[in-house]
Amino acid sequence: EAAVTQSPRSKVAVTGGKVTLSCHQTNNHDYMYWYRQDTGHGLRLIHYSYVADSTEKGDIPDGYKASRPSQENFSLILELASLSQTAVYFCASSDTGGYYEQYFGPGTRLTVL
Amino acid sequence: QQKVQQSPESLSVPEGGMASLNCTSSDRNFQYFWWYRQHSGEGPKALMSIFSDGDKKEGRFTAHLNKASLHVSLHIRDSQPSDSALYFCAASEPRRQGGRALIFGTGTTVSVSP
Repeated sequence: EAAVTQSPRSKVAVTGGKVTLSCHQTNNHDYMYWYRQDTGHGLRLIHYSYVADSTEKGDIPDGYKASRPSQENFSLILELASLSQTAVYFCASSDTGGYYEQYFGPGTRLTVL
Repeated sequence: QQKVQQSPESLSVPEGGMASLNCTSSDRNFQYFWWYRQHSGEGPKALMSIFSDGDKKEGRFTAHLNKASLHVSLHIRDSQPSDSALYFCAASEPRRQGGRALIFGTGTTVSVSP
């Protein structure tokens, strides 16, 4: 069974503060993704990466940065957290692009006050 | 505009009954679809994918794709209380460097009552 873990599982942040969400996978997958989930919107892609030290923008990248320091680790960074970034964030990994299944982590619930 | 739309928003099914979920895409470039299931407090987990016209069956789950109408459906036979969850339809869209984004619908909440 593919394994994707996320930390922290929940976080409360203040407006204007910096937030870092971490993701770790033990699947030996090349691709990693960050999505956010909001009620009424399903999940939407923020950033993704196909190799260490490289990231690509997804559909809603504004206000977010991503970092992939190794194949196993992928971080999402909110430099200046805003109220509108309150959401549940999911990390996923998949094998070499194509039509391979994306395996999701358990999510991080972020509340920005 | 939501590129992938699902209906109904919620569905109640008696245990042992059939649940039918619908999904329509507005983008003819979408040719490959997934159904994901999300239990409360967990991440989504893939149920099955479909990219050929017609039916695909995996256990109690049957997906149907009609490319001409861009319509995808999921049918759950002999529904169990453990099937109570949020179900997503997602289209697979190619991105740079071989990546593939999942374009999710807004989901259907299924409740199975004993």
